[in-house]
Amino acid sequence: DGGITQSPKYLFRKEGQNVTLSCEQNLNHDAMYWYRQDPGQGLRLIYYSQIVNDFQKGDIAEGYSVSREKKESFPLTVTSAQKNPTAFYLCATQSSGLTDTQYFGPGTRLTVL
Amino acid sequence: GESVGLHLPTLSVQEGDNSIINCAYSNSASDYFIWYKQESGKGPQFIIDIRSNMDKRQGQRVTVLLNKTVKHLSLQIAATQPGDSAVYFCAERGLYNQGGKLIFGQGTELSVKP
Repeated sequence: DGGITQSPKYLFRKEGQNVTLSCEQNLNHDAMYWYRQDPGQGLRLIYYSQIVNDFQKGDIAEGYSVSREKKESFPLTVTSAQKNPTAFYLCATQSSGLTDTQYFGPGTRLTVL
Repeated sequence: GESVGLHLPTLSVQEGDNSIINCAYSNSASDYFIWYKQESGKGPQFIIDIRSNMDKRQGQRVTVLLNKTVKHLSLQIAATQPGDSAVYFCAERGLYNQGGKLIFGQGTELSVKP
């Protein structure tokens, strides 16, 4: 983390509601990523963006949406179409280049009530 | 298909001992590998990385070994400390992975006994 902030840290949602998770970075990194982590499991890619105003679906994009209007920001909306949204959501950034690593934010824990 | 897996889900070591965490990968086209440490409730923290043109890379108290012949990656932690207790993930990136996508293993939980 460090240059990557995610808010809120904890989020509670009622069924049927959309919620938006914030991810902001001051690292001047081009690429940004959203992952989902379930208990005892690895990370699964939801969406990613390599450049402003462009983004691509990851492995589990259904029920999620994103935007990339600014280089610094990559918000994730969890829609009511996401059947099992309770999870730990992680945002990551990467500077350009195939071998540059991804750095992660502190995460947002979303719980559906 | 592509997969990154870990041999052991849990590892318990005595403080001061060396730890070895293993990882197998199946994509021979992967050319970049990363180890992350994740403490409970926090985001993954970068530990060390290695490119496929290397066999070994050392950091502070950590060493990553890459054996491309058997597609195996390991993380060695010297003189393990209680603060090393966490879940450790390996991740790979294929040379032609669109968007620099990483593929993560499920993780190994390291527990350090005082």
